Amino acid sequence: DAGVTQSPTHLIKTRGQQVTLRCSPKSGHDTVSWYQQALGQGPQFIFQYYEEEERQRGNFPDRFSGHQFPNYSSELNVNALLLGDSALYLCASSLAGGTQETQYFGPGTRLLVL
Amino acid sequence: AQSVTQLGSHVSVSEGALVLLRCNYSSSVPPYLFWYVQYPNQGLQLLLKYTTGATLVKGINGFEAEFKKSETSFHLTKPSAHMSDAAEYFCAVSDRIYGGSQGNLIFGKGTKLSVKP
Repeated sequence: DAGVTQSPTHLIKTRGQQVTLRCSPKSGHDTVSWYQQALGQGPQFIFQYYEEEERQRGNFPDRFSGHQFPNYSSELNVNALLLGDSALYLCASSLAGGTQETQYFGPGTRLLVL
Repeated sequence: AQSVTQLGSHVSVSEGALVLLRCNYSSSVPPYLFWYVQYPNQGLQLLLKYTTGATLVKGINGFEAEFKKSETSFHLTKPSAHMSDAAEYFCAVSDRIYGGSQGNLIFGKGTKLSVKP
């Protein structure tokens, strides 16, 4: 049973560029959430996708956008990169409708903005 | 709004000693609480969770946590530390705005556990 996978594992970009990160959820899961983890901090919620729509959003600017595909995989896009966007980006998947919600995390994509 | 406070950014114990990592939460609804572990350069792995029912929750690798509503706490313990337990531990509360399902997680800042031989 494949867990949550993310690609790429590492990425280096320069300020002003755009980046796309990808996530495939755990088999059977239909909900994908994205988190940003800055160095030395806990993860912070960016947004959540369910049924191909953004269902919740954290306190992140519109430069951060996403998409969910019919196969439940998801992309996170960040435009006009800033140095402060350097972080580990974590994807988590879960199953909607359950009463005992558990989010399973992927290994993350480490983004460095120079 | 929900929030999580982890007391102690760094805890050091000797191998074989008790591990106690503290977590206090704030929630306007009955909380769902989680502990995750993160090894260096890796993602988060679920250790254990509390949703409803028994307040003492057992997880993987010998860890357990007790939900104490009166103290708004969910401390993580392990009777005997092992070298392999060295990692960063995150407590989280679920923001259950959809009637209990699929809320986003609100994390504490983490506690780095070191285990001395």
